[in-house]
Amino acid sequence: NAGVTQTPKFQVLKTGQSMTLQCAQDMNHNSMYWYRQDPGMGLRLIYYSASEGTTDKGEVPNGYNVSRLNKREFSLRLESAAPSQTSVYFCASSKRYTDRGYTFGSGTRLTVV
Amino acid sequence: KQEVTQIPAALSVPEGENLVLNCSFTDSAIYNLQWFRQDPGKGLTSLLLIQSSQREQTSGRLNASLDKSSGRSTLYIAASQPGDSATYLCAAHGGSEKLVFGKGTKLTVNP
Repeated sequence: NAGVTQTPKFQVLKTGQSMTLQCAQDMNHNSMYWYRQDPGMGLRLIYYSASEGTTDKGEVPNGYNVSRLNKREFSLRLESAAPSQTSVYFCASSKRYTDRGYTFGSGTRLTVV
Repeated sequence: KQEVTQIPAALSVPEGENLVLNCSFTDSAIYNLQWFRQDPGKGLTSLLLIQSSQREQTSGRLNASLDKSSGRSTLYIAASQPGDSATYLCAAHGGSEKLVFGKGTKLTVNP
């Protein structure tokens, strides 16, 4: 099925470890996004990529890096995980100025101990 | 900076009741407004998308309206069912290419 695929679905890290969250979409969308969702805080934008080759910071970028590998793939890297990064991470994509809105992946539940 | 607020934060209704969820946004310069549903432990499912030039959208028992001038959107659910229990999120898509979310309304429909 067409959509946004995130891997892994679950992950437990120790403080200081690094990892990369993967995201791929097959809808030929131009823009891709990474959000985190925390209780009481809602969804907050970490980084986004308006088009292939560009990335920009969102509301909460500290402690993260991203790579727009190609039009389909947008990865999020935690270089040195901290307990404050325990969250559910969602990847999303959209066409620019589209009438179809955003499509979200199913999320990655990350726990940092 | 766009801010999106949803009221109420939680709502409990008996089955069969019609209900309205409210969403307000501070910056009326939006491309569209999108309503999502999120079940516990799951991702976001898009319900309705209203373009800035539209006043409302309908899908089955759901009807979403948009009033840009007042910075408000409502999601109307007719004849609610227990399967409608979920958290409903609204999000405003502005000119910065970013979607800004409200914190959601948690809906419980009691049999």
